[in-house]
Amino acid sequence: EIVMTQSPATLSVSPGERATLSCRASQSVSSNLAWYQQKPGQAPRLLIYGASTRATGIPARFSGSGSGTEFTLTISSLQSEDFAVYYCQQYNNWPPEYTFGQGTKLEIK
Amino acid sequence: EVQLVESGGGLVQPGGSLRLSCAASGFTFSSYDMHWVRQATGKGLEWVSAIGTAGDTYYPGSVKGRFTISRENAKNSLYLQMNSLRAGDTAVYYCARERKGYPKAFDIWGQGTMVTVSS
Repeated sequence: EIVMTQSPATLSVSPGERATLSCRASQSVSSNLAWYQQKPGQAPRLLIYGASTRATGIPARFSGSGSGTEFTLTISSLQSEDFAVYYCQQYNNWPPEYTFGQGTKLEIK
Repeated sequence: EVQLVESGGGLVQPGGSLRLSCAASGFTFSSYDMHWVRQATGKGLEWVSAIGTAGDTYYPGSVKGRFTISRENAKNSLYLQMNSLRAGDTAVYYCARERKGYPKAFDIWGQGTMVTVSS
């Protein structure tokens, strides 16, 4: 089983600043990596897929990078609505397996 | 509007069973792979099951043999039959649509339904 590890667990950043979230896979997942945002009481929302492609309607301040085992989600200039929990997710083609990281909570500094 | 709406959650005793439903609308349900994902209170996300357009099914080890995912395309509905439930299965259960093609990701999520396993 591929284990996804996100860091840090909590990140405190001021509005307008840049936030960088990390996700590491226990073995290579190529570019099979997605990022989700979840706000309290809401379902997750897809932000990034294929490691670097923004989903429909996602603002350009969100960007993803990486391949293999190291991935990064960057939010270039934090807006108030960006404070949430972020999860990375890998998928393995065979056997089908979809593993999430434990999440990074992005909070207002 | 593309939408997924879950139902069927509730309180069940350990060892009991429950069937969750997910009603899809606004898209051609039969053309998409579908999933269930759960989240215990205050915890992270855990993939629970998947079903392909051809009815092929997949599970992680934590639920294999106890949970069964199915679909009824004529009713635009997804189901999760959960048997031999344990306290550790207590969570909000989300149904999610997998985007077509590659790269894969879950692009549409329902609002979730709460399952509580307790005596």
